Amino acid sequence: EDQVTQSPEALRLQEGESSSLNCSYTVSGLRGLFWYRQDPGKGPEFLFTLYSAGEEKEKERLKATLTKKESFLHITAPKPEDSATYLCAVQAWGNKLTFGTGTQLKVEL
Amino acid sequence: NAGVTQTPKFRILKIGQSMTLQCTQDMNHNYMYWYRQDPGMGLKLIYYSVGAGITDKGEVPNGYNVSRSTTEDFPLRLELAAPSQTSVYFCASSNPQDREPYGYTFGSGTRLTVV
Repeated sequence: EDQVTQSPEALRLQEGESSSLNCSYTVSGLRGLFWYRQDPGKGPEFLFTLYSAGEEKEKERLKATLTKKESFLHITAPKPEDSATYLCAVQAWGNKLTFGTGTQLKVEL
Repeated sequence: NAGVTQTPKFRILKIGQSMTLQCTQDMNHNYMYWYRQDPGMGLKLIYYSVGAGITDKGEVPNGYNVSRSTTEDFPLRLELAAPSQTSVYFCASSNPQDREPYGYTFGSGTRLTVV
């Protein structure tokens, strides 16, 4: 059974204080690892897909990396508008995603 | 381009009532999904469809039914609502033929309370 574990559950940062979110996974035959951002009262919004170990992708202050067992979402010099819940998901064979429970990020002035 | 549209946004049901959550997408995606999201539990797959006329169960299908008569629409039916079905429901779609973005497009959700 595919499993995704995200840590920490919640993270509070000061504006400009860089940090990383972790996503550990076990899956038989990884086809892709996904990061989503979810704002309160809204649906998840797609951020990145990573396909193979060693791959990195960047978008503004966010950078996602992938190893064979985990993925990191690095947040550099965060701003209050980066506050959200960040979800990680894995896809094995077929097109279904298995989601983690998310990391709730709060960035304060 | 509206993406994935869900209605209603909020609903309160009494135990034993039935309702249909509507979902429609305008991206011509073949694959569609229904998830429920409970606090601290993550998103759980209820049902999914790989095309019109084809549906299959996910992790938590009990108490729900779906149909897929068109590519655009994927309604979720709750029969005999129970308090355990209190949750936020998300519909999503994807097209496996797309290389990027390969992720799902989600609707904005339906918040359902069963009392």
